[in-house]
Amino acid sequence: QVQLVQSGAEVKKPGASVKVSCKASGFNFATFGFNWVRQAPGQGLEWMGWISPFNDNTKHAQKFQGRVTMTADTSTSTAYLDLRSLTSDDTAVYYCARDHDSTGAMDVWGQGTTVIVSS
Amino acid sequence: EIVMTQAPATLSVSPGERATLSCRASQSVSSDLAWYQQKPGQAPRLLIFGASTRATGIPARFSGSGFGTEFTLTISSLQSEDFAVYYCQQYNNWPPSTFGQGTKLEIK
Repeated sequence: QVQLVQSGAEVKKPGASVKVSCKASGFNFATFGFNWVRQAPGQGLEWMGWISPFNDNTKHAQKFQGRVTMTADTSTSTAYLDLRSLTSDDTAVYYCARDHDSTGAMDVWGQGTTVIVSS
Repeated sequence: EIVMTQAPATLSVSPGERATLSCRASQSVSSDLAWYQQKPGQAPRLLIFGASTRATGIPARFSGSGFGTEFTLTISSLQSEDFAVYYCQQYNNWPPSTFGQGTKLEIK
């Protein structure tokens, strides 16, 4: 079935980096865009960025400029989010989500990856 | 950046009644507006895209309306499983795509 399966929870120290993976199955990975959205504890949803595996085009929110890298491996149908220079403010659940027919709405979500940043 | 504002923050409604949730954009987003439902410990679920089109498998009691800056999600007859947090999202002018802060729909 159509699904996105994310990597497991991470605990990182301030200043470290984290890489979250998102493996797709049940559909043609290369023909969809993928978003990364995060949710801090008890807070709302925050869009971080988007990648097209077809041409590796990416877009991201300005607040993550210089700290975020999004990549995709079409051979394994996996998207990746790399976030550097972590602070406690980056503690959140990170979701990958598929673009719905290139509209910008997100129709398939991963289960989420908890990232805790703590000294 | 387009700011999305949802109202109310919390809505208390009895099962079987109608719920109306609002979302306002700081500038026009045309019909590039989606609604999501999120239950505790779960990922969000797409309900509505294009302001008024139900996603696959979404019951007909969910409907969306609006254009430009004012949008509404209506749940016509609340079921127990509908009590959750609802978010709107604009994808007209991005990056960044932006979400509202959410409306918590609780049982009255």
